[in-house]
Amino acid sequence: DIQMTQSPASLSASLEEIVTITCQASQDIGNWLAWYQQKPGKSPQLLIYGATSLADGVPSRFSGSRSGTQYSLKISRLQVEDPGIYYCLQGYSAPYTFGAGTKLELK
Amino acid sequence: EVQLVESGGGLVQPGRSLKLSCLASGFTFSNYGMNWIRQAPGKGLEWVASISSSSSYIYYADTVKGRFTISRDNAKNTLYLQMTSLRSEDTALYYCARRGHSLDYWGQGVMVTVSS
Repeated sequence: DIQMTQSPASLSASLEEIVTITCQASQDIGNWLAWYQQKPGKSPQLLIYGATSLADGVPSRFSGSRSGTQYSLKISRLQVEDPGIYYCLQGYSAPYTFGAGTKLELK
Repeated sequence: EVQLVESGGGLVQPGRSLKLSCLASGFTFSNYGMNWIRQAPGKGLEWVASISSSSSYIYYADTVKGRFTISRDNAKNTLYLQMTSLRSEDTALYYCARRGHSLDYWGQGVMVTVSS
C-alpha cells in the first residue's frame, strides 16, 4: 500500500504569511495527488487535483507543486478564512490513502 | 448543481448490519466512479471503498474487506454501502464522494455509531 507522510501536523501562521504543507509518497504516484480543506463540521473541499490544478472556485492564492514523490500545497497569503485541516490524497492506486492532516491556525 | 445526500446511518450494536445510501443529483451518475470515505470522531479521513461507473471495478480498504459491500444502482442514481459484522472501530461519519477530478464532490456525511 502507498503511504502518504504529511507534514507538519500543525501550523500557526499570521495573516498574509506564506504557508507550505507537504506530503511525501512512499512510491511514485505520478500526478495523482489532491489537496483538501476541511473546516469544523463540514465536508472536505477539493482545492487542488492532479498535483497542480486548481479546483473550480478555489482562490488563486492556493497552489500545488510536485518534486518527484514530494508534493506541496502553498497558500501565498494566508487569509482569515483559511484555517482548517488540510489533507492530501493519493488516487493513483487502491487502497487510496490520505495524509494524516495538517491543522492550520491563525497566529 | 451536484448534490450527494447520504442516509441510513444510526446507532447499531456490534456484530449487526447497516446499509447506507447516497442519492446523487445534478450530474450523470452513471458516468462517474463513486467512493465511500469515513472519519472517526476527532480523527482524519479514511478511504473505505470505490466502485467504477459500471460496477466493473470495486476496491476496499483492508479494514473493511469481507465485511462491507459497495454497490450502485445507476437507474436510481444511488450508491450503497452494505456494512455487516460491525465493530466499535467502524463508528464514524461516512461520506460518499464522486470521482471526477479526484474526489471532487462530497456529501454532508451520515453518522454510524456502533455500540451496545
